[in-house]
Amino acid sequence: DTEVTQTPKHLVMGMTNKKSLKCEQHMGHRAMYWYKQKAKKPPELMFVYSYEKLSINESVPSRFSPECPNSSLLNLHLHALQPEDSALYLCASSQGGRGFYGYTFGSGTRLTVV
Amino acid sequence: TQLLEQSPQFLSIQEGENLTVYCNSSSVFSSLQWYRQEPGEGPVLLVTVVTGGEVKKLKRLTFQFGDARKDSSLHITAAQPGDTGLYLCAGEGTYKYIFGTGTRLKVLA
Repeated sequence: DTEVTQTPKHLVMGMTNKKSLKCEQHMGHRAMYWYKQKAKKPPELMFVYSYEKLSINESVPSRFSPECPNSSLLNLHLHALQPEDSALYLCASSQGGRGFYGYTFGSGTRLTVV
Repeated sequence: TQLLEQSPQFLSIQEGENLTVYCNSSSVFSSLQWYRQEPGEGPVLLVTVVTGGEVKKLKRLTFQFGDARKDSSLHITAAQPGDTGLYLCAGEGTYKYIFGTGTRLKVLA
């Protein structure tokens, strides 16, 4: 299995809602990542988990809360988001904690905040 | 701050034409990757280059890593509409993984 699976594919949520994005990989990768991508821009790093521990938080607002229940799963909990948080949210994984061989990305969740 | 600058930013060509995309930095990278991303999807890894001067081919795509490992290029021969997408170079910087500024390619039938 050489895939990263993200659910849901699309999500529309109000500013007072709580929702979660899910990501799963079964490649034995020990590093997992959340990225945010705005239209026509490169992905921007949000969080890095290495060996199930949060190792990098790129000063992301607390309305985004990551969770790594085990080495195969990564969640992103969303609460009280703003319309400007609408974007494509990408999960990725890599061997070890470095990108020497590149990342495997999921197909993303298209989030719209209304 | 480590940067990966790509050129051109946008490219619109006719089917059958050749093109080259460049990825440049003032920093040395131990490896560089190229990804292609289609609208609404995640980036797909195309290749990793590791050795300075290395050339790798993937069907009609040719990737080269500069001798000093500060730059890379992607050449597409006889472009097809299926090559349309956002091309991103990327590499592991000192503190985090860095993406290039991106090249948006459109191949017209």
